[in-house]
Amino acid sequence: AQKVTQAQTEISVVEKEDVTLDCVYETRDTTYYLFWYKQPPSGELVFLIRRNSFDEQNEISGRYSWNFQKSTSSFNFTITASQVVDSAVYFCALSGRGSTLGRLYFGRGTQLTVWP
Amino acid sequence: GAGVSQTPSNKVTEKGKYVELRCDPISGHTALYWYRQSLGQGPEFLIYFQGTGAADDSGLPNDRFFAVRPEGSVSTLKIQRTERGDSAVYLCASSPGLAGGQEQFFGPGTRLTVL
Repeated sequence: AQKVTQAQTEISVVEKEDVTLDCVYETRDTTYYLFWYKQPPSGELVFLIRRNSFDEQNEISGRYSWNFQKSTSSFNFTITASQVVDSAVYFCALSGRGSTLGRLYFGRGTQLTVWP
Repeated sequence: GAGVSQTPSNKVTEKGKYVELRCDPISGHTALYWYRQSLGQGPEFLIYFQGTGAADDSGLPNDRFFAVRPEGSVSTLKIQRTERGDSAVYLCASSPGLAGGQEQFFGPGTRLTVL
């Protein structure tokens, strides 16, 4: 079974603070994909990043960085120097292969509020 | 280019009524997905299409839910005899194909309220 756990329901920070959003996943597939999506107040899910299970290199994109660790089944997301515009709900998601190909399994999301 | 569009953006209906929700995917995308998002939850998979056929409908909660994609482009999610528990945001997404790990592009959703 595929499962994603985002234990942090809500996080509040003050602008310019760094913040890390946690994501833990479960899967029996050897090939799988991990995603992060952002859902601003407007409601539309915005793709941020995809990693496949064979690529454990960390990735940095501007103020965003991702730490993928297979040993702990985690795919954490860090925002450096947070800004008010980062306020949104962030979802981690998992996609497998075989009979579940095509489905995204989402966590419950983390509501991030950045205060000015 | 145009993204995924969904109509209506909001739908209010009475318990027991029939509703149709429409999704227009990104042009050229062969895979189309429906998800349902309840308040405070992540999206939950309902069904996806590759072309005109439903490749996986195992997420549909019961036989009151049905979806079609007759020409391989626009899709309609149909809900019969609506119940209050059907109230949620229904999200549609599309992707260029069905290869593993494809990014799914989401529409703005239809907020369904069943009174």
